[in-house]
Parts: sequence; C-alpha cells; structure tokens
Amino acid sequence: AQTVTQSQPEMSVQEAETVTLSCTYDTSESNYYLFWYKQPPSRQMILVIRQEAYKQQNATENRFSVNFQKAAKSFSLKISDSQLGDTAMYFCAFSPAKSSGDKLTFGTGTRLAVRP
Amino acid sequence: DGGITQSPKYLFRKEGQNVTLSCEQNLNHDAMYWYRQDPGQGLRLIYYSQIVNDFQKGDIAEGYSVSREKKESFPLTVTSAQKNPTAFYLCASSNYKGKTGELFFGEGSRLTVL
Repeated sequence: AQTVTQSQPEMSVQEAETVTLSCTYDTSESNYYLFWYKQPPSRQMILVIRQEAYKQQNATENRFSVNFQKAAKSFSLKISDSQLGDTAMYFCAFSPAKSSGDKLTFGTGTRLAVRP
Repeated sequence: DGGITQSPKYLFRKEGQNVTLSCEQNLNHDAMYWYRQDPGQGLRLIYYSQIVNDFQKGDIAEGYSVSREKKESFPLTVTSAQKNPTAFYLCASSNYKGKTGELFFGEGSRLTVL
C-alpha cells in the first residue's frame, strides 16, 4: 500500500514571496504519478501540477513548480510570487501507473494562507 | 460547460436514517469515485467505478453503498450502519483510459448527523 505524508499542517507566506510545501511518499511501485491539488475555501478542488515518475525533469506550471526527488521519495511544491488567490488547502497525491484506474492516495493536506 | 454536479451541498440527517448523495458528470468519463474528507485526515476513498454496472470498495466502504446504472451517475448512500457519517463528501471522475491520473472533482456535499 502507498502512503503520502504532508508534515506541514499550516503555512503562511507574504504576498509576492515564495513558499515551498513538502510531501513525501512511500511505495514499492516503479512507475507512478504524483499530483498537487488545490482546494480553495468553499470551492472546487482542482489540479495544480502533475509529475510522471519516469520523467526526471521537474514539472512546471507558470508560478508552480515541483522538486521531485525519486530516490528520496520526495515531491515538494514551490509557489513563486504568491498571490492572495493561492490561499487554499493543498493536497499531495499519488497514483500507480497501472491500468486499474486512477485511485489516488492523498496526504492530509497543508493549509496555506497568503498574507497581503 | 462540462463538469461534475453534486447535490445537495448541505444535508442534515437524524441518526438511523439513510441518505443518498447525488453525483452527475457530463465529461463522458468512464471512471467515477467517492471520497470522504475529514479535518486532518485528507481524502479517503469510499467506492469507485470504472465502468457501468461495476464498482469496487475503496479503503473505507463500510456503511456506504453505491450504484452505477448510467455512465453519468454515481450516487452514494450513507446508511445507518455508518458509525460516524458527519463529513464532507467529494465525488470525482476521470478518463483513466487516457492514463493521465487526473481526477476532476465536484464541489462536494457536507453531511451533518444531528
């Protein structure tokens, strides 16, 4: 079974600054996907960024980037130039790359507050 | 617009009652999922379905039931056997045949047992 650990329950960052959210995972799978999802207050959960384990290059989506360390089983999210709209709960998630569907295992989440 | 619709957004239930949460998607996705979200515990998988008329238990299926009679619909029934049903419930879907691993979520239903 896979586990996903987010050790930072809450974080805070000043607007326009950079913040990094941590995530570690444990798996015996050789190929898998990793995700960061964002859940704004009272709003829908949406995908922020996705990483395929067999790709060594770190994924980037505009102000969001990841630091994927496969050997260390670490998958951190960096948010640059933080904006007030980034205030949300962030979940790290894992999915094995099998044909059995997209059953994701989620971490417990990190609540991020962006201060004006 | 394509998406996932969950209803109701808020639901109150007396102990001993069954309640059914609705989930409808118009994304033409084959797979649908139900997750339960509790503070400090993240999201936990209740049931999932990869095809019509077939579904599998997730990690915390006890006290819940589902059906998948249509591709677009995946209702969840919270039965009286569920010992702690107060939670936020999220429905999701995916086009898993595309192997992207991405889930699309509804806005959730908050169930409170009085």
